[in-house]
Amino acid sequence: NAGVMQNPRHLVRRRGQEARLRCSPMKGHSHVYWYRQLPEEGLKFMVYLQKENIIDESGMPKERFSAEFPKEGPSILRIQQVVRGDSAAYFCASSPPSLAGGGNEQFFGPGTRLTVL
Amino acid sequence: GENVEQHPSTLSVQEGDSAVIKCTYSDSASNYFPWYKQELGKGPQLIIDIRSNVGEKKDQRIAVTLNKTAKHFSLHITETQPEDSAVYFCAASIGSNYQLIWGAGTKLIIKP
Repeated sequence: NAGVMQNPRHLVRRRGQEARLRCSPMKGHSHVYWYRQLPEEGLKFMVYLQKENIIDESGMPKERFSAEFPKEGPSILRIQQVVRGDSAAYFCASSPPSLAGGGNEQFFGPGTRLTVL
Repeated sequence: GENVEQHPSTLSVQEGDSAVIKCTYSDSASNYFPWYKQELGKGPQLIIDIRSNVGEKKDQRIAVTLNKTAKHFSLHITETQPEDSAVYFCAASIGSNYQLIWGAGTKLIIKP
Protein backbone atom coordinates (compact mmCIF):
# COMPACT_ATOMS: atom_id res chain seq x y z
CA ASN A 1 0.00 0.00 0.00
CA ALA A 2 1.72 3.15 -1.19
CA GLY A 3 1.86 6.05 1.21
CA VAL A 4 0.66 9.57 0.58
CA MET A 5 2.26 10.89 -2.58
CA GLN A 6 2.99 14.49 -3.35
CA ASN A 7 4.42 16.05 -6.46
CA PRO A 8 6.41 17.83 -7.37
CA ARG A 9 8.84 17.52 -4.47
CA HIS A 10 10.44 20.84 -5.35
CA LEU A 11 8.84 23.66 -7.28
CA VAL A 12 10.41 26.95 -8.30
CA ARG A 13 8.24 29.78 -9.50
CA ARG A 14 8.78 33.43 -10.31
CA ARG A 15 6.63 36.08 -8.70
CA GLY A 16 3.25 36.30 -10.42
CA GLN A 17 3.23 32.73 -11.72
CA GLU A 18 0.89 29.97 -10.62
CA ALA A 19 1.87 27.01 -8.46
CA ARG A 20 -0.03 23.71 -8.55
CA LEU A 21 0.70 21.16 -5.86
CA ARG A 22 -0.71 17.65 -6.11
CA CYS A 23 -1.49 15.10 -3.45
CA SER A 24 -2.61 11.50 -3.87
CA PRO A 25 -3.94 10.11 -0.57
CA MET A 26 -3.38 6.60 0.64
CA LYS A 27 -5.69 4.00 -0.84
CA GLY A 28 -9.00 3.94 0.97
CA HIS A 29 -8.51 7.36 2.54
CA SER A 30 -11.26 9.87 1.93
CA HIS A 31 -9.99 12.82 3.96
CA VAL A 32 -7.23 15.15 2.82
CA TYR A 33 -5.56 17.96 4.72
CA TRP A 34 -3.12 20.58 3.53
CA TYR A 35 -0.57 22.20 5.82
CA ARG A 36 2.07 24.84 5.35
CA GLN A 37 5.38 24.90 7.18
CA LEU A 38 7.99 27.63 7.27
CA PRO A 39 11.60 26.73 8.21
CA GLU A 40 12.04 26.11 11.93
CA GLU A 41 8.30 26.47 12.50
CA GLY A 42 5.33 24.21 13.14
CA LEU A 43 2.54 23.04 10.90
CA LYS A 44 -0.13 25.56 9.95
CA PHE A 45 -3.47 24.04 8.95
CA MET A 46 -4.79 25.34 5.67
CA VAL A 47 -7.72 23.27 4.45
CA TYR A 48 -9.55 20.00 5.04
CA LEU A 49 -11.34 18.28 2.18
CA GLN A 50 -13.33 15.19 1.46
CA LYS A 51 -14.12 14.01 -2.05
CA GLU A 52 -15.75 16.90 -3.92
CA ASN A 53 -16.26 18.86 -0.70
CA ILE A 54 -14.32 21.50 1.19
CA ILE A 55 -15.05 20.86 4.84
CA ASP A 56 -12.95 23.55 6.47
CA GLU A 57 -10.84 26.19 4.73
CA SER A 58 -10.39 28.44 7.73
CA GLY A 59 -6.59 28.32 7.40
CA MET A 60 -6.49 29.33 3.75
CA PRO A 61 -5.71 32.90 2.75
CA LYS A 62 -8.82 34.47 1.26
CA GLU A 63 -7.12 35.42 -1.99
CA ARG A 64 -4.94 33.54 -4.46
CA PHE A 65 -5.23 30.16 -2.70
CA SER A 66 -7.68 27.42 -3.60
CA ALA A 67 -7.95 23.68 -3.09
CA GLU A 68 -9.97 20.85 -4.55
CA PHE A 69 -10.33 17.12 -4.15
CA PRO A 70 -12.24 15.85 -7.19
CA LYS A 71 -14.10 12.59 -7.46
CA GLU A 72 -11.29 11.23 -9.59
CA GLY A 73 -7.64 12.15 -9.33
CA PRO A 74 -5.44 13.83 -6.76
CA SER A 75 -6.16 16.75 -4.50
CA ILE A 76 -4.78 20.02 -5.84
CA LEU A 77 -3.59 23.06 -3.92
CA ARG A 78 -3.38 26.01 -6.27
CA ILE A 79 -1.63 29.27 -5.56
CA GLN A 80 -2.16 32.03 -8.08
CA GLN A 81 0.16 35.01 -8.62
CA VAL A 82 2.72 33.70 -6.16
CA VAL A 83 4.73 36.09 -3.99
CA ARG A 84 8.00 35.53 -2.13
CA GLY A 85 6.08 35.04 1.12
CA ASP A 86 4.48 31.91 -0.33
CA SER A 87 7.85 30.13 -0.20
CA ALA A 88 7.42 27.25 2.25
CA ALA A 89 7.01 23.50 2.49
CA TYR A 90 3.46 22.36 1.81
CA PHE A 91 2.44 19.05 3.29
CA CYS A 92 -0.56 16.95 2.48
CA ALA A 93 -1.97 14.36 4.86
CA SER A 94 -4.75 11.83 4.48
CA SER A 95 -6.83 9.84 6.90
CA PRO A 96 -9.33 7.02 6.61
CA PRO A 97 -12.99 7.40 7.46
CA SER A 98 -13.82 6.38 11.00
CA LEU A 99 -16.91 4.45 11.89
CA ALA A 100 -16.76 5.72 15.46
CA GLY A 101 -16.13 9.33 14.57
CA GLY A 102 -13.66 11.47 16.42
CA GLY A 103 -9.97 11.95 15.79
CA ASN A 104 -8.05 9.76 13.43
CA GLU A 105 -4.49 9.20 12.31
CA GLN A 106 -3.21 11.51 9.62
CA PHE A 107 -0.54 10.13 7.32
CA PHE A 108 1.74 12.69 5.75
CA GLY A 109 3.33 12.91 2.36
CA PRO A 110 6.95 14.02 1.83
CA GLY A 111 5.91 17.59 1.07
CA THR A 112 6.42 20.03 -1.79
CA ARG A 113 9.02 22.71 -1.24
CA LEU A 114 7.94 25.84 -3.06
CA THR A 115 10.50 28.52 -3.76
CA VAL A 116 9.35 31.82 -5.22
CA LEU A 117 12.08 33.85 -6.87
CA GLY B 1 -10.25 29.30 19.90
CA GLU B 2 -8.94 25.88 20.79
CA ASN B 3 -5.20 25.48 21.13
CA VAL B 4 -2.40 23.08 22.08
CA GLU B 5 0.67 24.27 23.95
CA GLN B 6 3.87 22.28 23.75
CA HIS B 7 6.98 22.52 25.98
CA PRO B 8 9.88 22.79 25.80
CA SER B 9 10.61 24.24 22.38
CA THR B 10 14.12 22.76 22.49
CA LEU B 11 15.35 19.84 24.55
CA SER B 12 18.93 18.64 24.72
CA VAL B 13 19.68 15.35 26.49
CA GLN B 14 22.67 13.07 26.80
CA GLU B 15 22.52 9.87 24.79
CA GLY B 16 21.05 7.14 26.94
CA ASP B 17 19.06 9.51 29.14
CA SER B 18 15.29 9.99 29.00
CA ALA B 19 13.43 12.81 27.28
CA VAL B 20 9.99 14.12 28.19
CA ILE B 21 7.88 16.50 26.11
CA LYS B 22 4.62 17.91 27.47
CA CYS B 23 1.48 19.26 25.83
CA THR B 24 -1.67 20.83 27.19
CA TYR B 25 -4.92 21.23 25.28
CA SER B 26 -8.01 23.34 25.75
CA ASP B 27 -10.88 21.43 24.08
CA SER B 28 -12.44 19.14 26.68
CA ALA B 29 -14.07 17.17 23.84
CA SER B 30 -10.69 16.15 22.37
CA ASN B 31 -10.42 12.37 22.34
CA TYR B 32 -7.39 11.56 20.19
CA PHE B 33 -3.79 12.60 20.84
CA PRO B 34 -1.06 11.66 18.36
CA TRP B 35 2.66 12.37 18.44
CA TYR B 36 4.65 12.91 15.27
CA LYS B 37 8.37 12.91 14.56
CA GLN B 38 9.73 15.07 11.75
CA GLU B 39 13.26 14.62 10.48
CA LEU B 40 14.97 17.28 8.43
CA GLY B 41 13.55 17.53 4.92
CA LYS B 42 10.81 14.97 5.52
CA GLY B 43 7.13 14.89 6.34
CA PRO B 44 5.94 14.22 9.90
CA GLN B 45 5.59 10.55 10.83
CA LEU B 46 3.20 9.21 13.43
CA ILE B 47 5.17 7.51 16.22
CA ILE B 48 2.53 6.88 18.85
CA ASP B 49 -0.99 7.95 19.68
CA ILE B 50 -3.46 7.61 22.53
CA ARG B 51 -7.21 7.84 22.83
CA SER B 52 -9.08 9.26 25.76
CA ASN B 53 -10.25 5.91 27.08
CA VAL B 54 -6.73 4.97 28.20
CA GLY B 55 -4.22 6.73 30.43
CA GLU B 56 -0.96 5.33 29.12
CA LYS B 57 0.39 3.56 26.07
CA LYS B 58 3.84 2.16 25.47
CA ASP B 59 5.73 1.03 22.38
CA GLN B 60 9.28 -0.12 23.13
CA ARG B 61 11.23 3.00 24.17
CA ILE B 62 8.35 5.38 23.57
CA ALA B 63 5.40 5.99 25.88
CA VAL B 64 2.58 8.50 26.04
CA THR B 65 0.58 9.40 29.14
CA LEU B 66 -2.73 11.24 29.21
CA ASN B 67 -4.37 13.12 32.06
CA LYS B 68 -7.85 14.09 30.86
CA THR B 69 -8.75 15.91 34.04
CA ALA B 70 -5.78 18.21 33.77
CA LYS B 71 -5.94 18.21 29.94
CA HIS B 72 -2.34 17.33 29.39
CA PHE B 73 -0.42 14.54 27.75
CA SER B 74 3.27 13.73 27.55
CA LEU B 75 5.72 11.86 25.36
CA HIS B 76 8.44 9.87 27.10
CA ILE B 77 11.46 8.52 25.26
CA THR B 78 13.80 6.29 27.27
CA GLU B 79 17.38 5.26 26.46
CA THR B 80 17.65 7.97 23.85
CA GLN B 81 19.75 7.33 20.75
CA PRO B 82 21.24 9.69 18.14
CA GLU B 83 18.51 8.75 15.65
CA ASP B 84 15.92 10.16 18.06
CA SER B 85 17.15 13.66 17.18
CA ALA B 86 14.29 15.34 15.33
CA VAL B 87 11.39 17.74 15.83
CA TYR B 88 8.44 16.25 17.69
CA PHE B 89 4.88 17.53 17.37
CA CYS B 90 1.90 16.77 19.57
CA ALA B 91 -1.69 17.22 18.40
CA ALA B 92 -5.21 16.92 19.75
CA SER B 93 -8.43 16.21 17.91
CA ILE B 94 -11.02 18.96 17.70
CA GLY B 95 -14.25 17.76 19.22
CA SER B 96 -15.76 14.94 17.21
CA ASN B 97 -14.51 15.84 13.78
CA TYR B 98 -11.44 14.72 11.90
CA GLN B 99 -9.22 17.71 12.40
CA LEU B 100 -6.21 18.08 14.65
CA ILE B 101 -4.81 21.09 16.49
CA TRP B 102 -1.02 21.04 16.53
CA GLY B 103 1.57 22.02 19.08
CA ALA B 104 4.43 24.26 17.96
CA GLY B 105 7.01 21.46 18.08
CA THR B 106 9.99 20.45 20.21
CA LYS B 107 13.46 20.16 18.75
CA LEU B 108 15.08 17.19 20.47
CA ILE B 109 18.87 17.06 20.39
CA ILE B 110 20.65 13.92 21.54
CA LYS B 111 24.21 14.66 22.61
CA PRO B 112 26.71 11.83 22.07
